[in-house]
Amino acid sequence: KAGVTQTPRYLIKTRGQQVTLSCSPISGHRSVSWYQQTPGQGLQFLFEYFSETQRNKGNFPGRFSGRQFSNSRSEMNVSTLELGDSALYLCASSYGTEAFFGQGTRLTVV
Amino acid sequence: KNEVEQSPQNLTAQEGEFITINCSYSVGISALHWLQQHPGGGIVSLFMLSSGKKKHGRLIATINIQEKHSSLQITASHPRDSAVYICAVRLENYQLIWGAGTKLIIKP
Repeated sequence: KAGVTQTPRYLIKTRGQQVTLSCSPISGHRSVSWYQQTPGQGLQFLFEYFSETQRNKGNFPGRFSGRQFSNSRSEMNVSTLELGDSALYLCASSYGTEAFFGQGTRLTVV
Repeated sequence: KNEVEQSPQNLTAQEGEFITINCSYSVGISALHWLQQHPGGGIVSLFMLSSGKKKHGRLIATINIQEKHSSLQITASHPRDSAVYICAVRLENYQLIWGAGTKLIIKP
């Protein structure tokens, strides 16, 4: 069974640009959650999608958005990038209370 | 006060030592996860607990629901166990709340 796949693994963007990150969950998992990890703030919850609907949302500005497709793949978009958005973005695929994580996308904003 | 507290924040030990990492939480949960993160970022799920005790190789995880406390133990620690260990609790609404992590270094 393939694991959670996040693409790309690494990304460098400039301030003001936008970025889209992708997460393909484990087959059969309908829940996908996104997390931001920075050295200063640790892991923080962004949002969770279940069956194409946003089920939960963390305390992030509206520049952070996401969506989930009918095949459960999810995308996360950050518009008008700021230097502080540089972080590791992790995606988790869930079935019930089990959670499996992708390798993450490391975004650097310069 | 954070809803999930881990201790210690940093732990350095010699190879072979018995390691205990603690996690306390203050919210109602449906499950608790122990996760391992190596340098480079990838997170691996070690255990998911809703009660009792689980063992996998040299790793043992226990949870006491009444006391809202869990511990992760590593027996016969090895340098390859060096990583950040993270406790995360899953709320009834499926959201995960994370501890700050414990950075473990095992010296040869």
